[in-house]
Amino acid sequence: DGGITQSPKYLFRKEGQNVTLSCEQNLNHDAMYWYRQDPGQGLRLIYYSQIVNDFQKGDIAEGYSVSREKKESFPLTVTSAQKNPTAFYLCASSITGTSGVAYEQYFGPGTRLTVT
Amino acid sequence: AQSVAQPEDQVNVAEGNPLTVKCTYSVSGNPYLFWYVQYPNRGLQFLLKYITGDNLVKGSYGFEAEFNKSQTSFHLKKPSALVSDSALYFCAVRGPNDYKLSFGAGTTVTVRA
Repeated sequence: DGGITQSPKYLFRKEGQNVTLSCEQNLNHDAMYWYRQDPGQGLRLIYYSQIVNDFQKGDIAEGYSVSREKKESFPLTVTSAQKNPTAFYLCASSITGTSGVAYEQYFGPGTRLTVT
Repeated sequence: AQSVAQPEDQVNVAEGNPLTVKCTYSVSGNPYLFWYVQYPNRGLQFLLKYITGDNLVKGSYGFEAEFNKSQTSFHLKKPSALVSDSALYFCAVRGPNDYKLSFGAGTTVTVRA
Protein backbone atom coordinates (compact mmCIF):
# COMPACT_ATOMS: atom_id res chain seq x y z
CA ASP A 1 0.00 0.00 0.00
CA GLY A 2 2.73 2.39 -1.05
CA GLY A 3 4.38 3.73 2.09
CA ILE A 4 1.24 4.82 3.91
CA THR A 5 0.32 3.20 7.19
CA GLN A 6 -2.98 3.39 8.97
CA SER A 7 -3.61 2.07 12.41
CA PRO A 8 -5.39 0.25 13.76
CA LYS A 9 -6.90 -1.92 11.04
CA TYR A 10 -10.07 -2.48 13.07
CA LEU A 11 -11.41 -0.12 15.73
CA PHE A 12 -14.42 -0.48 17.98
CA ARG A 13 -15.92 2.33 20.02
CA LYS A 14 -19.00 3.06 22.04
CA GLU A 15 -21.36 5.76 20.85
CA GLY A 16 -20.51 9.16 22.31
CA GLN A 17 -16.74 8.60 22.37
CA ASN A 18 -14.28 10.47 20.23
CA VAL A 19 -11.75 8.32 18.38
CA THR A 20 -8.58 9.21 16.48
CA LEU A 21 -7.42 7.34 13.40
CA SER A 22 -3.73 7.41 12.58
CA CYS A 23 -2.22 8.02 9.13
CA GLU A 24 1.52 8.18 8.49
CA GLN A 25 3.37 8.39 5.18
CA ASN A 26 7.06 8.11 4.29
CA LEU A 27 6.67 9.15 0.65
CA ASN A 28 7.65 12.78 1.28
CA HIS A 29 4.30 13.87 -0.16
CA ASP A 30 3.01 17.33 0.65
CA ALA A 31 -0.68 16.52 0.18
CA MET A 32 -2.73 14.18 2.34
CA TYR A 33 -6.40 13.23 2.27
CA TRP A 34 -9.03 11.43 4.33
CA TYR A 35 -11.90 9.57 2.69
CA ARG A 36 -14.85 7.68 4.01
CA GLN A 37 -16.07 4.59 2.13
CA ASP A 38 -19.57 3.19 2.53
CA PRO A 39 -20.97 0.29 0.48
CA GLY A 40 -22.30 1.43 -2.88
CA GLN A 41 -21.27 5.07 -2.38
CA GLY A 42 -17.69 5.17 -3.51
CA LEU A 43 -15.26 7.38 -1.64
CA ARG A 44 -16.26 10.69 -0.11
CA LEU A 45 -13.67 13.30 0.86
CA ILE A 46 -13.65 14.33 4.52
CA TYR A 47 -10.61 16.63 4.79
CA TYR A 48 -7.48 17.33 2.79
CA SER A 49 -4.22 19.12 3.41
CA GLN A 50 -1.88 20.52 0.78
CA ILE A 51 0.83 21.57 3.22
CA VAL A 52 1.81 21.35 6.86
CA ASN A 53 -0.34 23.44 9.24
CA ASP A 54 -3.05 23.91 6.63
CA PHE A 55 -6.10 21.84 5.76
CA GLN A 56 -9.49 22.25 4.09
CA LYS A 57 -12.89 20.68 4.55
CA GLY A 58 -14.01 18.17 1.99
CA ASP A 59 -17.53 17.20 1.11
CA ILE A 60 -18.50 15.57 4.42
CA ALA A 61 -16.42 17.27 7.14
CA GLU A 62 -19.17 17.61 9.75
CA GLY A 63 -18.37 15.60 12.87
CA TYR A 64 -14.70 15.17 11.97
CA SER A 65 -11.53 17.08 12.78
CA VAL A 66 -7.91 16.84 11.61
CA SER A 67 -4.48 18.27 12.30
CA ARG A 68 -1.35 18.52 10.18
CA GLU A 69 1.54 19.36 12.47
CA LYS A 70 4.04 17.20 10.61
CA LYS A 71 4.44 16.46 6.92
CA GLU A 72 4.33 12.73 7.59
CA SER A 73 1.21 12.63 9.74
CA PHE A 74 -2.46 13.50 9.21
CA PRO A 75 -4.60 12.09 12.05
CA LEU A 76 -8.39 12.11 11.81
CA THR A 77 -10.64 12.44 14.86
CA VAL A 78 -14.17 11.13 14.60
CA THR A 79 -16.14 13.07 17.17
CA SER A 80 -19.36 12.19 18.94
CA ALA A 81 -21.06 14.75 16.69
CA GLN A 82 -20.69 12.43 13.69
CA LYS A 83 -24.11 10.86 13.41
CA ASN A 84 -23.17 7.70 11.55
CA PRO A 85 -19.46 7.03 12.10
CA THR A 86 -19.36 3.33 11.29
CA ALA A 87 -17.45 3.09 8.00
CA PHE A 88 -14.18 2.21 6.30
CA TYR A 89 -11.75 5.14 6.46
CA LEU A 90 -8.99 5.60 3.91
CA CYS A 91 -6.03 7.93 4.06
CA ALA A 92 -4.14 8.97 0.91
CA SER A 93 -1.24 11.16 -0.08
CA SER A 94 0.12 12.67 -3.26
CA ILE A 95 2.66 15.06 -4.69
CA THR A 96 1.20 18.54 -4.92
CA GLY A 97 1.33 19.41 -8.58
CA THR A 98 1.05 22.84 -10.05
CA SER A 99 -1.97 23.57 -12.18
CA GLY A 100 -1.84 21.31 -15.22
CA VAL A 101 0.00 18.52 -13.48
CA ALA A 102 -2.04 15.76 -11.90
CA TYR A 103 -0.35 13.26 -9.65
CA GLU A 104 -2.11 10.11 -8.54
CA GLN A 105 -2.98 9.54 -4.92
CA TYR A 106 -1.50 6.66 -2.98
CA PHE A 107 -3.77 4.99 -0.44
CA GLY A 108 -3.21 3.35 2.90
CA PRO A 109 -4.77 -0.01 3.85
CA GLY A 110 -7.69 1.61 5.68
CA THR A 111 -9.23 1.49 9.15
CA ARG A 112 -12.61 -0.10 9.69
CA LEU A 113 -14.40 1.75 12.47
CA THR A 114 -17.41 0.25 14.19
CA VAL A 115 -19.38 2.34 16.66
CA THR A 116 -22.08 0.67 18.75
CA ALA B 1 -19.15 20.66 -9.84
CA GLN B 2 -17.34 17.55 -11.00
CA SER B 3 -18.81 14.07 -10.92
CA VAL B 4 -18.30 10.53 -12.13
CA ALA B 5 -20.85 7.90 -13.11
CA GLN B 6 -20.15 4.20 -13.25
CA PRO B 7 -23.39 2.87 -14.73
CA GLU B 8 -22.83 -0.78 -13.89
CA ASP B 9 -22.75 -1.95 -10.29
CA GLN B 10 -21.47 -5.35 -11.38
CA VAL B 11 -19.69 -6.80 -14.39
CA ASN B 12 -19.37 -10.55 -14.84
CA VAL B 13 -17.08 -12.10 -17.44
CA ALA B 14 -15.49 -15.46 -18.12
CA GLU B 15 -11.74 -15.83 -17.77
CA GLY B 16 -10.02 -15.12 -21.07
CA ASN B 17 -12.79 -12.87 -22.35
CA PRO B 18 -12.46 -9.11 -22.79
CA LEU B 19 -13.33 -6.96 -19.79
CA THR B 20 -14.80 -3.46 -19.98
CA VAL B 21 -15.74 -1.24 -17.04
CA LYS B 22 -17.60 1.90 -18.01
CA CYS B 23 -17.07 5.44 -16.71
CA THR B 24 -18.49 8.80 -17.72
CA TYR B 25 -17.56 12.11 -16.16
CA SER B 26 -18.56 15.73 -15.82
CA VAL B 27 -16.02 18.47 -15.11
CA SER B 28 -15.28 22.07 -16.05
CA GLY B 29 -12.31 22.27 -18.33
CA ASN B 30 -9.99 19.49 -19.39
CA PRO B 31 -10.32 16.44 -17.16
CA TYR B 32 -7.71 14.49 -15.30
CA LEU B 33 -9.01 10.91 -15.11
CA PHE B 34 -7.92 7.98 -12.98
CA TRP B 35 -8.74 4.32 -12.46
CA TYR B 36 -8.14 2.53 -9.16
CA VAL B 37 -8.73 -1.07 -8.03
CA GLN B 38 -9.62 -2.24 -4.55
CA TYR B 39 -9.36 -5.77 -3.19
CA PRO B 40 -11.47 -6.74 -0.14
CA ASN B 41 -10.57 -4.85 3.04
CA ARG B 42 -7.64 -3.14 1.34
CA GLY B 43 -6.79 0.35 0.20
CA LEU B 44 -7.06 1.50 -3.41
CA GLN B 45 -4.31 0.74 -5.90
CA PHE B 46 -3.62 3.08 -8.79
CA LEU B 47 -4.04 1.52 -12.25
CA LEU B 48 -3.68 4.35 -14.77
CA LYS B 49 -4.41 7.97 -15.52
CA TYR B 50 -5.18 10.28 -18.43
CA ILE B 51 -3.79 13.80 -18.35
CA THR B 52 -3.28 14.75 -21.96
CA GLY B 53 -2.04 13.26 -25.21
CA ASP B 54 -2.96 9.87 -26.61
CA ASN B 55 -6.53 8.86 -25.96
CA LEU B 56 -5.49 5.27 -25.23
CA VAL B 57 -3.69 4.98 -21.92
CA LYS B 58 -1.90 1.84 -20.81
CA GLY B 59 -1.54 0.97 -17.16
CA SER B 60 -0.69 -1.75 -14.68
CA TYR B 61 -1.58 -5.46 -14.93
CA GLY B 62 -2.47 -5.26 -18.63
CA PHE B 63 -5.25 -2.70 -18.19
CA GLU B 64 -5.85 0.18 -20.56
CA ALA B 65 -8.41 2.93 -20.82
CA GLU B 66 -9.74 4.99 -23.68
CA PHE B 67 -10.50 8.67 -23.26
CA ASN B 68 -13.37 9.94 -25.42
CA LYS B 69 -13.88 13.67 -25.07
CA SER B 70 -17.04 13.89 -27.16
CA GLN B 71 -18.72 11.17 -25.10
CA THR B 72 -17.09 12.31 -21.83
CA SER B 73 -16.10 8.73 -21.16
CA PHE B 74 -13.05 6.91 -19.85
CA HIS B 75 -13.77 3.19 -20.07
CA LEU B 76 -11.36 0.68 -18.55
CA LYS B 77 -10.50 -2.36 -20.64
CA LYS B 78 -8.52 -5.54 -20.51
CA PRO B 79 -8.27 -7.81 -23.56
CA SER B 80 -8.20 -11.07 -21.61
CA ALA B 81 -9.52 -11.14 -18.04
CA LEU B 82 -8.05 -13.23 -15.25
CA VAL B 83 -9.79 -14.62 -12.17
CA SER B 84 -7.39 -12.50 -10.12
CA ASP B 85 -8.89 -9.35 -11.73
CA SER B 86 -12.01 -9.87 -9.61
CA ALA B 87 -12.19 -6.74 -7.47
CA LEU B 88 -13.90 -3.37 -7.03
CA TYR B 89 -12.94 -0.74 -9.60
CA PHE B 90 -13.23 3.01 -9.16
CA CYS B 91 -13.07 5.77 -11.74
CA ALA B 92 -12.13 9.27 -10.54
CA VAL B 93 -11.93 12.74 -12.05
CA ARG B 94 -10.58 16.13 -11.15
CA GLY B 95 -10.59 19.43 -12.97
CA PRO B 96 -7.43 21.25 -14.07
CA ASN B 97 -7.60 23.77 -11.23
CA ASP B 98 -8.79 21.51 -8.46
CA TYR B 99 -6.92 19.34 -6.00
CA LYS B 100 -9.92 17.20 -5.10
CA LEU B 101 -10.73 13.90 -6.75
CA SER B 102 -14.34 12.86 -7.25
CA PHE B 103 -14.92 9.11 -7.30
CA GLY B 104 -17.61 7.01 -8.89
CA ALA B 105 -19.60 4.55 -6.80
CA GLY B 106 -17.50 1.65 -8.03
CA THR B 107 -18.05 -1.41 -10.20
CA THR B 108 -17.59 -4.92 -8.85
CA VAL B 109 -15.91 -7.16 -11.39
CA THR B 110 -16.24 -10.92 -11.11
CA VAL B 111 -14.21 -13.11 -13.44
CA ARG B 112 -15.33 -16.75 -13.41
CA ALA B 113 -12.97 -19.57 -14.20
